[in-house]
Amino acid sequence: SQELEQSPQSLIVQEGKNLTINCTSSKTLYGLYWYKQKYGEGLIFLMMLQKGGEEKSHEKITAKLDEKKQQSSLHITASQPSHAGIYLCGADSNSGNTPLVFGKGTRLSVIA
Amino acid sequence: NAGVTQTPKFQVLKTGQSMTLQCAQDMNHEYMSWYRQDPGMGLRLIHYSVGAGITDQGEVPNGYNVSRSTTEDFPLRLLSAAPSQTSVYFCASSRGLGPEAFFGQGTRLTVV
Repeated sequence: SQELEQSPQSLIVQEGKNLTINCTSSKTLYGLYWYKQKYGEGLIFLMMLQKGGEEKSHEKITAKLDEKKQQSSLHITASQPSHAGIYLCGADSNSGNTPLVFGKGTRLSVIA
Repeated sequence: NAGVTQTPKFQVLKTGQSMTLQCAQDMNHEYMSWYRQDPGMGLRLIHYSVGAGITDQGEVPNGYNVSRSTTEDFPLRLLSAAPSQTSVYFCASSRGLGPEAFFGQGTRLTVV
């Protein structure tokens, strides 16, 4: 079965600093999804990447998909306290017949 | 538009009790899923459904039952609650297995 490994597991950054979260798949990526979860709440969809080399941005968050490396990265520029939360990557399974498999998440804290 | 609604938000059960976690969506999505989220384990798929009358097991189905009699509802039943089922449960729905999934706010369950 497909497994997703996220790194780092947790991250504390100073407000205004840039940061990167990585998601590496054990198998070929057919679709990669990034979600954000605020503490104690549900998951909010951020963006979806489907093609190798694809890059998408939403406000100060940019995600890229490296199909050859079976990896995606999420980059936040000039972090703000509103960026704090848990970031999870999810992926389509090989068969495409089951719901998303998720990584264990990266807990981001942004301090003033 | 309510999206995905889960009830209750919090529940405490005694070992051996049974209960049903409710999930309803008003987006006419065919696909619905149940996940559990535990510290250090990420989101794990319990059961899912690709349409009314069709359900299948995910990664951790033991101790849980589901049914899908309507497109809108996908209840999760705990037959005989165990402390190992203490977790946060999330319901999700999507138009298909490719497009992004929409998540409910979660049900925090404690089994004592």
